[in-house]
Order: sequence, then C-alpha cells, then structure tokens
Amino acid sequence: EVQLLQSGGGLVQPGDSLRLSCAASGFTFGSYALSWVRQLPGKGLEWVSAISNTGDTTYFADSVKGRFTISRDNSRDILYLHMNSLRAEDTAVYYCAKVADIWGQGTLVTVSS
Amino acid sequence: DIQLTQSPSSLSPSVGDRVTITCRASRGIENYLAWYQKKPGKAPKVLIYPATTLQSGVPSRFSGSGSGTGFSLTISSLQPEDSATYYCQQLYNYPLTFGGGTKVEI
Repeated sequence: EVQLLQSGGGLVQPGDSLRLSCAASGFTFGSYALSWVRQLPGKGLEWVSAISNTGDTTYFADSVKGRFTISRDNSRDILYLHMNSLRAEDTAVYYCAKVADIWGQGTLVTVSS
Repeated sequence: DIQLTQSPSSLSPSVGDRVTITCRASRGIENYLAWYQKKPGKAPKVLIYPATTLQSGVPSRFSGSGSGTGFSLTISSLQPEDSATYYCQQLYNYPLTFGGGTKVEI
C-alpha cells in the first residue's frame, strides 16, 4: 500500500526542539521530492519546507527559515522535520506529503507554556 | 513568491447545484496547479493535478480548467459528501503556495 506514516509531535514549551518523522512505503522513495505542510488552528494550509529526491537541495517558508531543517534517509525511506526554537505560532497540524499525490495522516504540534 | 487568490472564500449551495471555484496566480504557472479537498481531521485529498487532470478514484463530477494565471474547479452536481474546504496549490516553483481556501457548506 502506498502511504506516508507520521510520528512525533506533541506538546512542547516555547524555545524547545522537536523532530517529526514520516515513513514511506509502496513507492520509490528516493525518486521524489517531499514536503512538509501545516495547518494552523482555524487557518488554511501553509507549505513549510521541501527537500529534493537526493536530499541535496532544501527549501523553507520564510516563517520557519533558520529554525527548521528538513532531511531524509533514502536507505530507510524516512523523511524528517527538525524544528528548533519553537514558538506558539508554530502550533499546527503538520503533514508530510508527496505533493499533489500522497499525504501523511497529520500530527499535532502544540507549543505552549 | 507566487500568490494564489481563491474566490469565493465560502459558499452555501444546495445538493445538485453546479459550483465553480476560481484560483488566480500572481504570475504564470503553466498548468502546475493542484486542487485539494480538505475535511476536518483528515489529510488533504488531491482531486486534480495538473490543472485539468482528474486523479484516480475522484468522481467525474469534479473537473478542472485553466492554465497560466487563471484556473477553476467545478463540481457539476454537488453531493452532500462534497461539504469541505477546497484549496488550490501551485507547484511551479518554491515556495509551493496555497490559495486561501473555499469553504463549501451544503
């Protein structure tokens, strides 16, 4: 079955770090660029970050640039989002995605003291 | 960055109505546009990509048109299960921006 299965997330305090994982199955992971997308509470979808199929090139939204990094392990078919210096405004449901195709189930990240 | 402007932001049609949502890009994106259906608590579901290609398993009442800067999503005969928020997204270049969304409440 073609799927992206997410793990990680939860409640953290402002300034903390957190890592989200996204395990792929059912497709040739190393052939595709992948993204992270989030939905803030009551808001629309916001693209967060992307990584090329080889991992050589990364892209970030201005709202997370310098605080988030993205990486992938093509030997294990796993995508990561490393989130540092978290802020209350990063509270959202985060999705990994092979955009315009497969999406993970989403994971809630809550940043609150 | 490419801005996507969706309209309307919400609508309240009836079952069987024909519904059209538009998405305008701030500059040309060829046909690199996707349409998604988003329901609360669920991941977005891709309906159409690229601009006019219906994804496998999506009912034929959904259709997409347009290229360049102007696009539309049409639902030919609205069904109760189509209540959702619909988003467009450009995949022409990074950042991969989304439109603001259109909430369809039946």
